[in-house]
Amino acid sequence: GAGVSQSPSNKVTEKGKDVELRCDPISGHTALYWYRQSLGQGLEFLIYFQGNSAPDKSGLPSDRFSAERTGGSVSTLTIQRTQQEDSAVYLCASSLDHREGVYGNQPQHFGDGTRLSIL
Amino acid sequence: DQQVKQNSPSLSVQEGRISILNCDYTNSMFDYFLWYKKYPAEGPTFLISISSIKDKNEDGRFTVFLNKSAKHLSLHIVPSQPGDSAVYFCAAPSGGSNYKLTFGKGTLLTVNP
Repeated sequence: GAGVSQSPSNKVTEKGKDVELRCDPISGHTALYWYRQSLGQGLEFLIYFQGNSAPDKSGLPSDRFSAERTGGSVSTLTIQRTQQEDSAVYLCASSLDHREGVYGNQPQHFGDGTRLSIL
Repeated sequence: DQQVKQNSPSLSVQEGRISILNCDYTNSMFDYFLWYKKYPAEGPTFLISISSIKDKNEDGRFTVFLNKSAKHLSLHIVPSQPGDSAVYFCAAPSGGSNYKLTFGKGTLLTVNP
């Protein structure tokens, strides 16, 4: 597709269950990012991938959160033993390589997000 | 502490007129700024960006102006169209990185036919 694709668009699950969120970036984008937006809050950075590596995981809120990226393309964000405070919209973005000496500053292009509700 | 501030929560303009959306930032180290447009239940859509080495960047009906001394940027939309009605966010990479975007709270633009 032309844009960043995320699935599912909505997910409702019970507290304590594991969830998996998927992101399909724009073809050719080597950088991929996960953010989340809780109700009434701003966008919160979670993790950044360059290719299949995650040089910056500093935003992951706890060890219940993990993410991987395979083939330099699709990424999966997994939340284990979900809690009610995990309820948020999870946004994925991708961009060309923003590292200095490659392309430099690059705009991030966002998907429509996954709205996660923990009951 | 908000590093990117959009002090006008809403703006209403007539079709065909100019829309001016404003954004202030606090960190003089910011060197790249972006504007996004967002419709309900969709992700932010990238509109236009500007590097701090420039003071103006233009793309069609959209122009972004940067005033570094005032730590202020603005997005001009001319002429405004009803389809421009959306929430507009300014953003900048922060946290010592060039990728961790921090967003303002947004301005709801309504363009009236």
